[in-house]
Amino acid sequence: DVKVTQSSRYLVKRTGEKVFLECVQDMDHENMFWYRQDPGLGLRLIYFSYDVKMKEKGDIPEGYSVSREKKERFSLILESASTNQTSMYLCASSFLKLDRADTQYFGPGTRLTVL
Amino acid sequence: AQKITQTQPGMFVQEKEAVTLDCTYDTSDPSYGLFWYKQPSSGEMIFLIYQGSYDQQNATEGRYSLNFQKARKSANLVISASQLGDSAMYFCAMREGGDYKLSFGAGTTVTVRA
Repeated sequence: DVKVTQSSRYLVKRTGEKVFLECVQDMDHENMFWYRQDPGLGLRLIYFSYDVKMKEKGDIPEGYSVSREKKERFSLILESASTNQTSMYLCASSFLKLDRADTQYFGPGTRLTVL
Repeated sequence: AQKITQTQPGMFVQEKEAVTLDCTYDTSDPSYGLFWYKQPSSGEMIFLIYQGSYDQQNATEGRYSLNFQKARKSANLVISASQLGDSAMYFCAMREGGDYKLSFGAGTTVTVRA
């Protein structure tokens, strides 16, 4: 079974803090993704990575950066957290490249609150 | 423009009955894939079923089936014989052929009543 884990289920941070969200997958997947989930908006892609040290902006990259130093680990960084970044963050990974049938597997999510 | 539209924010269904969740999509790419995910209150997104744009038959996985109507650009999920454990939010998503990412709808919350 594919296992995607995220470092925290719940996180509370203060405005202006630097925040790291970690994601690890154990299936040797090439692709990894960070989404943000807000009520009524579904999931929106922040960043994704298709290989180590490679990254691409998604639909809402502003205020975020990412790091992928190892294949199994993809980190989302909030350089200076703001209250409008309070949200549920979901990490996903997938195996095949540019295949429409490629299924993404998700972690349990991190619910981040910025005060 | 919204690529995936789910018009039902919430639905109630009686245990053991079937329920249909609506999903319409918008793409000009002839090659695409459609996915349904389930998100229980625990938060994890669980993959349920996949339909490819070139697939001739509707996809089925256990109690889940996908009613794929290509000309109407709809991909409705049917859950048969609903169980209490089916209570969750359900998301429809699409990947277009040359893209890595999934585009998600806003989701539909299903509540199964005993």
